[in-house]
Amino acid sequence: NAGVTQTPKFRVLKTGQSMTLLCAQDMNHEYMYWYRQDPGMGLRLIHYSVGEGTTAKGEVPDGYNVSRLKKQNFLLGLESAAPSQTSVYFCASSQDRGIYNEQFFGPGTRLTVL
Amino acid sequence: GEDVEQSLFLSVREGDSSVINCTYTDSSSTYLYWYKQEPGAGLQLLTYIFSNMDMKQDQRLTVLLNKKDKHLSLRIADTQTGDSAIYFCAEEDSSYKLIFGSGTRLLVRP
Repeated sequence: NAGVTQTPKFRVLKTGQSMTLLCAQDMNHEYMYWYRQDPGMGLRLIHYSVGEGTTAKGEVPDGYNVSRLKKQNFLLGLESAAPSQTSVYFCASSQDRGIYNEQFFGPGTRLTVL
Repeated sequence: GEDVEQSLFLSVREGDSSVINCTYTDSSSTYLYWYKQEPGAGLQLLTYIFSNMDMKQDQRLTVLLNKKDKHLSLRIADTQTGDSAIYFCAEEDSSYKLIFGSGTRLLVRP
């Protein structure tokens, strides 16, 4: 099993450009999440999904859109990138409500917006 | 809203014990978690504790929970250089989402 994979690993954008980050998981998990990690601020939830075809806003959703057309994939889009979106982006997945909520993380995408 | 706080940095000598502390605000969290992030990687679940427990031990790891003070700690015995990483405390909110602290960077000196 590959677990959670993310593409690309690195990307540099100019202000105003758009891009899509792809997350894929092969564990048949219902829940998927997108976080951003900034120095000294931990992980902040951008958007999440509780199943195929569903999405919901997290703590910092502005400037991002998501789609979950297939259960195994969760896409994060930036329509018009801004320097404030320079960050490391992590995708995670977990089972639906179980005994405890173990989230499995991808290796991250480092995005720089100039 | 929910908030999780941790100190940012801890330095210990190899072989000593490390204690990483965390405070949280959501008293309804069923589980509290410790995740570990090694350089250049995503987070991995290290251990968790059920909210009706005071202590959980797992090999070199001991988790202590003080519900009255909303204080969680992670003790690593006989700390090794391979334990150098960032450790995140997390609580669950009412809709099953995790709220992470800012992370404590542990540096183990030889």
